[in-house]
Amino acid sequence: EIVLTQSPGTLSLSPGERATLSCRASQSVSSSYLAWYQQKPGQAPRLLIYGASSRATGIPDRFSGSGSGTDFTLTISRLEPEDFAVYYCQQYGSSPTTFGPGTKVDIK
Amino acid sequence: QVQLVQSGAEVKKPGASVKVSCKASGYTFTSYYMHWVRQAPGQGLEWMGIINPSGGSTSYAQKFQGRVTMTRDTSTSTVYMELSSLRSEDTAVYYCARVPPYDDAFDIWGQGTMVTVSS
Repeated sequence: EIVLTQSPGTLSLSPGERATLSCRASQSVSSSYLAWYQQKPGQAPRLLIYGASSRATGIPDRFSGSGSGTDFTLTISRLEPEDFAVYYCQQYGSSPTTFGPGTKVDIK
Repeated sequence: QVQLVQSGAEVKKPGASVKVSCKASGYTFTSYYMHWVRQAPGQGLEWMGIINPSGGSTSYAQKFQGRVTMTRDTSTSTVYMELSSLRSEDTAVYYCARVPPYDDAFDIWGQGTMVTVSS
């Protein structure tokens, strides 16, 4: 199965700053079937990005995804207070689908 | 609106079984595959399996083969996940999540069901 590694484990930033989160796969992710999710405490994950770079319905344009092959990035252009959360990447191009361990974005 | 509503929290003893439900509304139930994912306290997300609500076919993660059963009831737009031979390591929040026909990312999630396994 494809193993996803996310870095950094924790990202400490201030509101208004830019956040850059990395997701690296142990093998190439076919057809860029890579998604990003946001999860806040006590809540279910929420889909942000699918197909590596397509924003899900209702997701603000400050969230963007890029990458292909084995290296993917989620960028939050200017952090809003509600963006402080844990972010997971997921590959769904190969079975079984797998998730990364998450990156926590917290307030500096 | 589109939503998945799961059953309430459960407390089970080791060796018992648990059955979690996920009721869909606001869309055509049989047009979207449904996955189950779990999350142990303070941990990441773990995929358990998938069910096709239309035909009922399933595919399970190897880790859960023989212990998990996913079923559906099209008359009530509900999918079920039953996990047997529970052990303490199965203590987790269990989520259902659907995938749209155009992509396989999980676009809508249930609110989660906490299952606690304790003697």
